[in-house]
Amino acid sequence: DAKTTQPPSMDCAEGRAANLPCNHSTISGNEYVYWYRQIHSQGPQYIIHGLKNNETNEMASLIITEDRKSSTLILPHATLRDTAVYYCIPWVYGQNFVFGPGTRLSVLP
Amino acid sequence: DAGVIQSPRHEVTEMGQEVTLRCKPISGHNSLFWYRQTMMRGLELLIYFNNNVPIDDSGMPEDRFSAKMPNASFSTLKIQPSEPRDSAVYFCASSPRTGVAPNEQFFGPGTRLTVL
Repeated sequence: DAKTTQPPSMDCAEGRAANLPCNHSTISGNEYVYWYRQIHSQGPQYIIHGLKNNETNEMASLIITEDRKSSTLILPHATLRDTAVYYCIPWVYGQNFVFGPGTRLSVLP
Repeated sequence: DAGVIQSPRHEVTEMGQEVTLRCKPISGHNSLFWYRQTMMRGLELLIYFNNNVPIDDSGMPEDRFSAKMPNASFSTLKIQPSEPRDSAVYFCASSPRTGVAPNEQFFGPGTRLTVL
């Protein structure tokens, strides 16, 4: 299983882009990168996932480096409601999700 | 769409008592997961079912924990007897498919269990 490294905490000004990095240097070729977030007192929420190509949906963009050793989740215009813990999770068929400590993002007014 | 439903939302019990947590997955989803979250250990997978059959229970901490899924719309997680170290938030999640991407899991609101 690939190990991940995320900064324990980050701040972002409201309205600015939030860029959350994740290092997964031991990721295997068939492992996807999933991002979830957990707002205080709620269950985790799926955000986005990718394999090799960059991905974008209504919530966020996912940028994966060419060597796939790291990725960045981008919230283009962070709001106060985006304050949460963000988890980067490598996943491949046959594995279970393993949630690490994640990054605690604080969006500041 | 009601999402994943868990009950009760809060449970306070005394050590030694039996505790039953309940989960109703999203209709049509064929995979169900039970997680436990504590400050010390974070979010841990306890067990998951595929088409009502337990697939991986390696995360179940000990024999005091048991989980069942009698049908596609209901699952229980039972702790008997409960101990103070079982205090945690227990999440249930369901997924429309398992084993293939996208492996999106939809989480319920959780049950906060306190064992005195």
